[in-house]
Amino acid sequence: AAGVIQSPRHLIKEKRETATLKCYPIPRHDTVYWYQQGPGQDPQFLISFYEKMQSDKGSIPDRFSAQQFSDYHSELNMSSLELGDSALYFCASSGQTSGNNEQFFGPGTRLTVL
Amino acid sequence: AQSVAQPEDQVNVAEGNPLTVKCTYSVSGNPYLFWYVQYPNRGLQFLLKYITGDNLVKGSYGFEAEFNKSQTSFHLKKPSALVSDSALYFCAVRDNPGNNRKLIWGLGTSLAVNP
Repeated sequence: AAGVIQSPRHLIKEKRETATLKCYPIPRHDTVYWYQQGPGQDPQFLISFYEKMQSDKGSIPDRFSAQQFSDYHSELNMSSLELGDSALYFCASSGQTSGNNEQFFGPGTRLTVL
Repeated sequence: AQSVAQPEDQVNVAEGNPLTVKCTYSVSGNPYLFWYVQYPNRGLQFLLKYITGDNLVKGSYGFEAEFNKSQTSFHLKKPSALVSDSALYFCAVRDNPGNNRKLIWGLGTSLAVNP
């Protein structure tokens, strides 16, 4: 079965650079969630989209923005990167096929800011 | 506000023994509860969920969880632990069922199964 796809899997950036993370949800899933997980931490919810509209906003910094496109994939844009942005970034999706309940997670993008 | 607590940072069990990973919750309405597992350097994998129905929920890899409304708990259990079960386990509750389906996460419990 198709799973959530995230790209790239690993990304290394310098301070003050920008980064774009991509997420391709499971087919027919209409909701995408972004999480940030620091070392040894629980996932921190950043933002979610339902049917291409922002549905909820968590602890996403103003330097970050995200959107969901017409094909339901989502991109997380990160600007003016800081050392503290180094983390695992997970995307998850849910939809009618999962009863709108559980979220299915991608493998994550490991961002390292030097 | 919805919240989830995992009171143990780490649980150690011997292989073959039963394991329990604890989770308690606080919600204003009917809870939607989830367990996820995270292996090192991997994404979160869904294990099981409680939405309604039987209080004992069976999930992947032989895990089960018991929903206890009076104790507001949703402990994860397995009758016989395997070394390969060693991982990080997260309990989560869904916030405001509806279109807003954000999950509220516990801090995670690291399970170590010793041979």
